Amino acid sequence: GAVVSQHPSWVICKSGTSVKIECRSLDFQATTMFWYRQFPKQSLMLMATSNEGSKATYEQGVEKDKFLINHASLTLSTLTVTSAHPEDSSFYICSAREVINEKLFFGSGTQLSVL
Amino acid sequence: AQSVAQPEDQVNVAEGNPLTVKCTYSVSGNPYLFWYVQYPNRGLQFLLKYITGDNLVKGSYGFEAEFNKSQTSFHLKKPSALVSDSALYFCAVRDLSGGSYIPTFGRGTSLIVHP
Repeated sequence: GAVVSQHPSWVICKSGTSVKIECRSLDFQATTMFWYRQFPKQSLMLMATSNEGSKATYEQGVEKDKFLINHASLTLSTLTVTSAHPEDSSFYICSAREVINEKLFFGSGTQLSVL
Repeated sequence: AQSVAQPEDQVNVAEGNPLTVKCTYSVSGNPYLFWYVQYPNRGLQFLLKYITGDNLVKGSYGFEAEFNKSQTSFHLKKPSALVSDSALYFCAVRDLSGGSYIPTFGRGTSLIVHP
């Protein structure tokens, strides 16, 4: 089946630094990828929708200058958390949409801890 | 507009007993319904979906879900629970008549299966 690879799975960084998270669809082309944030014991909060070759669409309340999204190819989307702060610590999950049957395939997530 | 509700934060069941995880939805048109499972420190995995046809949908790992249009529900069920089924379960809905192809997720239900 379709596989979405997300890296890194765990990252610890100092406050003020930037962190890049990669999301790759390994065996299918994903024209659309989604980035979610998940707080403990809470649901997925959609941050942005990433379309290949165009600017990402951010959900209300999500700072686009802080969470930079690039979807340069049909198999790769990246999320960069710029000038990270402790409140950005969270579990970030990407997903890719398979067009034919509308399934979403999820990456394994990235646990970000900002010290 | 589309929304989904999972009224239970946690469901406890003994191993071998049947389990039900509840989900109700609200859409303007016809619903496209999904269940996903998230194991600890893992990404979400697709379980099953309903778009049309038989109201009883069978999915992965022995799970099934019953679509009930009159009650706007899509409860997840399994005849005999396993300890390994313990995880976080998310229901999601997309309004087929809406312009967006982005599903809305419920807040999740933690299933705990006791030995």
